[in-house]
Amino acid sequence: QVTLKESGPALVKPTQTLTVTCTFSGFSLSTNGMRVSWIRQPPGKALEWLARIDWDDDKFYSTSLKTRLTISKDTSKNQVVLTMTNMDPVDTATYYCARQPSSLDAFDIWGQGTMVTVSS
Amino acid sequence: EIVMTQSPATLSVSPGERATLSCRASQSVITYLAWYQQKPGQAPRLLIYGASTRATGIPARFSGSGSGTEFTLTISSLQSEDFAVYYCQQYNNWPPYTFGQGTKLEIK
Repeated sequence: QVTLKESGPALVKPTQTLTVTCTFSGFSLSTNGMRVSWIRQPPGKALEWLARIDWDDDKFYSTSLKTRLTISKDTSKNQVVLTMTNMDPVDTATYYCARQPSSLDAFDIWGQGTMVTVSS
Repeated sequence: EIVMTQSPATLSVSPGERATLSCRASQSVITYLAWYQQKPGQAPRLLIYGASTRATGIPARFSGSGSGTEFTLTISSLQSEDFAVYYCQQYNNWPPYTFGQGTKLEIK
């Protein structure tokens, strides 16, 4: 069974750096063609893709947020980590990680999400 | 960046009836189009990929069609559990992957 679970702080202050972790099971990010993406959703709004990391450590970022994002993986721990610098209240959202196998290219399995509020 | 536009924003349909949701891309995405269902307080769930292929475990009442810039998600006979928000997403031209703003399917 494939599962993903996000973890991170529920509250961060403006200008701080957010670090969220995706811990997964049921697949390996060292398998050829496997990828994991981060997607966020502000309350009551649509989904926004943020970043992707591939089995071969290729990384891709949202063009509008590229300067603030870093994605990394720890294959031995089955984890993917996203950091976002200089947080602002508009970054308040639920942050999801999702599996994205190259065979589908769509996000086939999602975590439950972690809600992050940016407020002083 | 490809802009995805969904219509209508809200669709009111009675249980047992057919629902048709639309998604338009600002430029061709060929058939690199997915549909997701999201219920309140839950993560999105993949329904359709490749514009018309149902994901694992998705009932046959869900079908997708279209290519290029115009796509449709059809739910043939609405069940109570189908009332949710639906998103389309393109994965032909990235980064970034882009989503539509969603269609809320509500009970009439």
